[in-house]
Amino acid sequence: QAQLVESGGGVVQPGRSLRLSCAGSGLTFSGYALHWVRQAPGKGLDWVAFISHDGSHKYYADSVKGRFTISRDNSNNVFHLQLNSLRAEDTAVYYCARDGQWLGTPSDEYFQHWGQGTLVTVSS
Amino acid sequence: SYVLTQPPSVSVAPGKTARITCGGNTIGSKSVNWYQQKPGQAPVLVIYYDSDRPSGIPERLSGSNSGNTATLTISRVEVGDEADYYCQVWDSSTDQRVFGGGTKLTVL
Repeated sequence: QAQLVESGGGVVQPGRSLRLSCAGSGLTFSGYALHWVRQAPGKGLDWVAFISHDGSHKYYADSVKGRFTISRDNSNNVFHLQLNSLRAEDTAVYYCARDGQWLGTPSDEYFQHWGQGTLVTVSS
Repeated sequence: SYVLTQPPSVSVAPGKTARITCGGNTIGSKSVNWYQQKPGQAPVLVIYYDSDRPSGIPERLSGSNSGNTATLTISRVEVGDEADYYCQVWDSSTDQRVFGGGTKLTVL
């Protein structure tokens, strides 16, 4: 059964860092674009970051640019989100997601597979 | 940045048809995806490429996209369709991905 499993969430003080990971089981990340999407409590979905299938392109939401870094390790079928300089407004459930198109382009993209989410709480 | 506008809520009686809109500037020129999210669960893809359905998604769900509005249509609505629905596109001018604010579907 194909699934994505996030880990690394928790409670952290403002200004500190956290590293989230997403592991694929029963499906491959190789050849697919990957994303992080977050959802603040009681709010809607908010796209956070993208990494291309080969890691050569990375894009971020304006709200996290310069603070968050996405990376991938195809050999271990895992990818990460490094969260630095965390703020209270970063508090959210963070979902990882895999594109549905192998070697797809952004115009072909859709979030086919999702993890169950990991909660990040930024609080003093 | 590109903005997608959805109605906060839509209500429909069981067996009737629900239409959830997603407005955006010339959205008809973009590929629109739709996700369903039930409370406490991760989102699920229900429509991609404006109108394609992933395997396992019932034919009662359909999508269309033209001009400045994309629409998710749910026919013969069931209680189990109660959920939040989000539209999503790629903004080519910024390479960012954009979600609509979401629509809560209530089955009366």
